[in-house]
Amino acid sequence: ETGVTQTPRHLVMGMTNKKSLKCEQHLGHNAMYWYKQSAKKPLELMFVYSLEERVENNSVPSRFSPECPNSSHLFLHLHTLQPEDSALYLCASSQPDRGHTDTQYFGPGTRLTVL
Amino acid sequence: AQKITQTQPGMFVQEKEAVTLDCTYDTSDQSYGLFWYKQPSSGEMIFLIYQGSYDEQNATEGRYSLNFQKARKSANLVISASQLGDSAMYFCAMREGRGGSQGNLIFGKGTKLSVKP
Repeated sequence: ETGVTQTPRHLVMGMTNKKSLKCEQHLGHNAMYWYKQSAKKPLELMFVYSLEERVENNSVPSRFSPECPNSSHLFLHLHTLQPEDSALYLCASSQPDRGHTDTQYFGPGTRLTVL
Repeated sequence: AQKITQTQPGMFVQEKEAVTLDCTYDTSDQSYGLFWYKQPSSGEMIFLIYQGSYDEQNATEGRYSLNFQKARKSANLVISASQLGDSAMYFCAMREGRGGSQGNLIFGKGTKLSVKP
């Protein structure tokens, strides 16, 4: 089974729509992350969840709302987005542990286009 | 100031030759980790190799090796015997601290590698 999956792979939405991105990890990790990758910019960390609690929100606009119901699932709820929010949204998971490399493993991403 | 610098926006290499992708980093932490990821056109970020700041030997994973020069704060990726499937974006990343929420990844802007047949 693929380690980290994301659905949908592609999404086109209008500015007034509400949609959700889903991420699922099968690696037994207890930390999950959302990243945004825009053209010609480095990956930007959006949210971090550790043991199902949000531990970091990197100044992300409130039109992005994360949800982590359990350690295997992570959602990103989207509403009233702007065209500049069009990007590749990547989910990752890891096992932070003292002395561990804490390598993050990524899903295939959702390519979002906001019209 | 950028914490991760990748100075080569694009690189070309002939199939079967070796190639070095540059990465320099900036941190005042003593404990940190350095990562390289590959991103094909499909979008998935694939983990390649890890180097810890206290590791005395350069990391190797198959055809990938990391040329770690701590004093120069560089962590270059060396790919030996390039293959056509190596064509992709390559990202260098750093985690400061010992992991967990205190040590999130900071990514460079990436290098686009093209392997010529």
